[in-house]
Amino acid sequence: EDQVTQSPEALRLQEGESSSLNCSYTVSGLRGLFWYRQDPGKGPEFLFTLYSAGEEKEKERLKATLTKKESFLHITAPKPEDSATYLCAVQAEDNYGQNFVFGPGTRLSVLP
Amino acid sequence: NAGVTQTPKFRILKIGQSMTLQCAQDMNHNYMYWYRQDPGMGLKLIYYSVGAGITDKGEVPNGYNVSRSTTEDFPLRLELAAPSQTSVYFCASSYGTRKDNEQFFGPGTRLTVL
Repeated sequence: EDQVTQSPEALRLQEGESSSLNCSYTVSGLRGLFWYRQDPGKGPEFLFTLYSAGEEKEKERLKATLTKKESFLHITAPKPEDSATYLCAVQAEDNYGQNFVFGPGTRLSVLP
Repeated sequence: NAGVTQTPKFRILKIGQSMTLQCAQDMNHNYMYWYRQDPGMGLKLIYYSVGAGITDKGEVPNGYNVSRSTTEDFPLRLELAAPSQTSVYFCASSYGTRKDNEQFFGPGTRLTVL
């Protein structure tokens, strides 16, 4: 069975204090791994897609990396506006390739 | 572009009532999805559609029905609402190609069944 776990469940950082969020997955054939940001009361917002081990992508203070078993979302010098829940999802290979499995998310708080 | 829109934003239902959650997208995406999100749990796929006239079950389809008569619209129907269907429902859409499949989500519908 395809599974995604995320750690930690919640993370509190001081502004400027860099850290990493973890997404561990087991999937029968990975088509893609996705990171989303979700603000309270809103729908998830797309951040990155990673397709193969060793791939990295960056956007402002965020950098996502991928291995065969996990992905990390590195946050460098975070600001209070980075506070949100970060969701990881894997897309498994199936008939239509539309089987997405989401993790429970990491709730990030960045204090000024 | 409005992106993905959902109505209503909030709804309270009594047990046994029925309702339809509306979803529309204006990005000409072939693929559309319905998820539910419960506290502390990941998004769970209810149904998805790969194009007009084609729908398929996701992980948690029981108690729900969908239809896709146009590319733009993908309504979700709840028949005989139960307390277990209390959740936040998100609609999403994507191009669905192998290297361009990020999902765009709507703002959600918060449903309470009492």
